[in-house]
Formats: sequence, C-alpha cells, structure tokens
Amino acid sequence: GENVEQHPSTLSVQEGDSAVIKCTYSDSASNYFPWYKQELGKRPQLIIDIRSNVGEKKDQRIAVTLNKTAKHFSLHITETQPEDSAVYFCAASGADGLGDGLTFGKGTHLIIQP
Amino acid sequence: DAGVIQSPRHEVTEMGQEVTLRCKPISGHNSLFWYRQTMMRGLELLIYFNNNVPIDDSGMPEDRFSAKMPNASFSTLKIQPSEPRDSAVYFCASSLINEKLFFGSGTQLSVL
Repeated sequence: GENVEQHPSTLSVQEGDSAVIKCTYSDSASNYFPWYKQELGKRPQLIIDIRSNVGEKKDQRIAVTLNKTAKHFSLHITETQPEDSAVYFCAASGADGLGDGLTFGKGTHLIIQP
Repeated sequence: DAGVIQSPRHEVTEMGQEVTLRCKPISGHNSLFWYRQTMMRGLELLIYFNNNVPIDDSGMPEDRFSAKMPNASFSTLKIQPSEPRDSAVYFCASSLINEKLFFGSGTQLSVL
C-alpha cells in the first residue's frame, strides 16, 4: 500500500518568515495530494490540494508543489502569522483515486514565534 | 450543511465494555471513512465505504472492531470488548467518490 513520509516533525519560524513542509510518497500511481491543518482539539481541515496533472498550485499565502518523478510534494506558507500555528498533515490517495482512501503523513507541528 | 456529524464527542468507558461511535455524513456524499488518531501512529484509516458498501477494512486492528453503514446517512463503529489501548480520537469523514474529504469533529475515546 501507499506510504507517506513527512518532514520535519516540528518546525519553528519567526512571524513573517516562510515555512516549508515536505512529503514523499511510495506509490507512483497516486494522483491526489491534499494538505490538512489541524488546530489543537479540532478536526483536520483541508487547506489546499493538488492533482497529478499539475505541478504547482497557489492560494494566497499557501502554495503546494508536486514532483511526480521524484514522488515528493511540498507545502509553502509565506508571510507566516500566529494563526498559522497548528499541525499540518500531507496525504496521498491510493492508485484508484480518493475513492481508495487517503494515507496521511505523521504531521508537522508548525510553531510561529512572535 | 451541518457537515459530518459524530456522536458522542467524548466517551469514557471501562475495559471490557462495548463502545459504539456514530456518524452522519454530509448529505449527498457517497464515500465514508473511519480514521483513528493517536500521537504514536498519527491518522490511520480503519475502514471505508463507497455507496454504503465496505470496500477495504484492512486497517481495522482486530476482530473486536466492526463497522456498519445501513444507509447513506448513518454509520457506526463498534468496539467490543474495549481495551485501554483503544483510547484515541476516532474521526469519521465523508466525500463524493474521488472528491475532497471532510472530517467530523471526532470522538475522544478513553478506555480505563
């Protein structure tokens, strides 16, 4: 089955700086890669996603890049703000698409230092 | 839309008791997923249904765990008998097949 590795497990950045979280996946047939943000005691919430036919996607301060050859994808947050502090999870779909369920990385605890 | 609704929000029970977790997916969604979240193992997929049919239950840890989806608007995850190592947050999520996944608020389960 799919295996998703996520790094780093903890990331501390100064407010206003950029943050980058990286993930690798094992199944070359995976074709959907979402990112979720989870605040303490809350549910994971989708913040951005990318499909395998696209190399990059942006939404305001958030961007995701995908390298299918290398089987890795990254989340970029620019101009970080205190409300960006949370745990971020990457995920990858199975070979049959999202209908096959998502495999999640172990998460990155992002800390924004004031 | 109220989103994915789970109940109860918190469950405290004693080892050996039966536990039933409930989920109402978003209306119109035809895929439903049960995940378990712990610090050690992260988010693990336990089982998922497409059009009320269980597709893959390979993530269910043991025979003590079972899940049903009798109709498109309701699913249960049952643990019988429960053990302390089952303590975790259990999330239900739903989607249209091959579309975005939305999570419920979760059930915090504590087995003493």
